[in-house]
Amino acid sequence: DADVTQTPRNRITKTGKRIMLECSQTKGHDRMYWYRQDPGLGLRLIYYSFDVKDINKGEISDGYSVSRQAQAKFSLSLESAIPNQTALYFCATTGTSGTGELFFGEGSRLTVL
Amino acid sequence: AQSVAQPEDQVNVAEGNPLTVKCTYSVSGNPYLFWYVQYPNRGLQFLLKYITGDNLVKGSYGFEAEFNKSQTSFHLKKPSALVSDSALYFCAVRDISGGYNKLIFGAGTRLAVHP
Repeated sequence: DADVTQTPRNRITKTGKRIMLECSQTKGHDRMYWYRQDPGLGLRLIYYSFDVKDINKGEISDGYSVSRQAQAKFSLSLESAIPNQTALYFCATTGTSGTGELFFGEGSRLTVL
Repeated sequence: AQSVAQPEDQVNVAEGNPLTVKCTYSVSGNPYLFWYVQYPNRGLQFLLKYITGDNLVKGSYGFEAEFNKSQTSFHLKKPSALVSDSALYFCAVRDISGGYNKLIFGAGTRLAVHP
């Protein structure tokens, strides 16, 4: 089983719908991240969390919200999806010790029509 | 602000030839640098990192990277490319601004290895 699991892997939705992407990890890491990947732009940080009570905005947080339900779970929500939120979304984790290397999930591909 | 640049959108190389994927960085302080690879429909996989010490860092799948402080570069290399190395490669730098550890990624370079 994967250490970092994302659901759903693929989702097609319509403009204005609420969408939740979920991430769970079995690595025992405290730190979790949501990134968005767009062609030619690389990965951009949406939100990150260093523990259950610590949530921080990243580079492109507008239009998104997150919830850290437990140490192992970190979900990303789009309250009212719009077409330019069509992208590949990645969850990642890292431990408190160490040098910052991230461990990624397989990604959630979201299409907003 | 910390940043990395990958000047090439795509690199083409023949199988068996050496390959180089370029990355330059801009940081305040000592850089922590990373390379990741992404195969189609997969997440990013860690290849290698530079923290301190030897400027030549060896990683997974026969890849290595050379840290050059004077040129602010961290180029990814492999002596003999394989068709299976074809993938999207990302360079990243650690950002600890505000007391939080994050990775800042480059735009990515697509490597195409031709038989």
